[in-house]
Amino acid sequence: EPEVTQTPSHQVTQMGQEVILRCVPISNHLYFYWYRQILGQKVEFLVSFYNNEISEKSEIFDDQFSVERPDGSNFTLKIRSTKLEDSAMYFCASAVGEAFFGQGTRLTVV
Amino acid sequence: AQSVTQPDIHITVSEGASLELRCNYSYGATPYLFWYVQSPGQGLQLLLKYFSGDTLVQGIKGFEAEFKRSQSSFNLRKPSVHWSDAAEYFCAVGEEGYSTLTFGKGTMLLVSP
Repeated sequence: EPEVTQTPSHQVTQMGQEVILRCVPISNHLYFYWYRQILGQKVEFLVSFYNNEISEKSEIFDDQFSVERPDGSNFTLKIRSTKLEDSAMYFCASAVGEAFFGQGTRLTVV
Repeated sequence: AQSVTQPDIHITVSEGASLELRCNYSYGATPYLFWYVQSPGQGLQLLLKYFSGDTLVQGIKGFEAEFKRSQSSFNLRKPSVHWSDAAEYFCAVGEEGYSTLTFGKGTMLLVSP
């Protein structure tokens, strides 16, 4: 069964450092998303991506965040200068009908 | 704006007993509704979805959910819970099947022997 794959599964980074979270969506899907889940809180939408551009973003997705689909298969989320409050589980999802989620990357900013 | 309320933060059910997890949504038009399950350390797995048609939808792992427009609810049910069902369950709503989702805060299901 096709699945969304995210790497790494865990990442620890120092405050102020840049991180790139990687995702391989399901191959025939057209819509791509990043969500995050701060520990103990609900899953929150960050950004959606369609036709090689951002289609929607939330208030959370400020200038420190960016997304790319560099090679037609990978879908990345970059956080330029991480803050302690960026510590969360980050989920990638892709959709053609309904969204399928990856296993998540747990980001810890120290 | 869309919103989802899952009023129960934790629920404990005995193995073999029936289960109902509550979900209420707020949305102006006909919603697209989903239930996802998250096992510890795992991602979000889609259990079932409602787009249109029959208001009782069947999902994986023996789960079902019923869309009740008059009550703005989409409760998840299972007739007999197994220990492996212990996980966190999230209800979500969207405008379309592929649109961004608004999630509830989740209900943690604990299964007692």
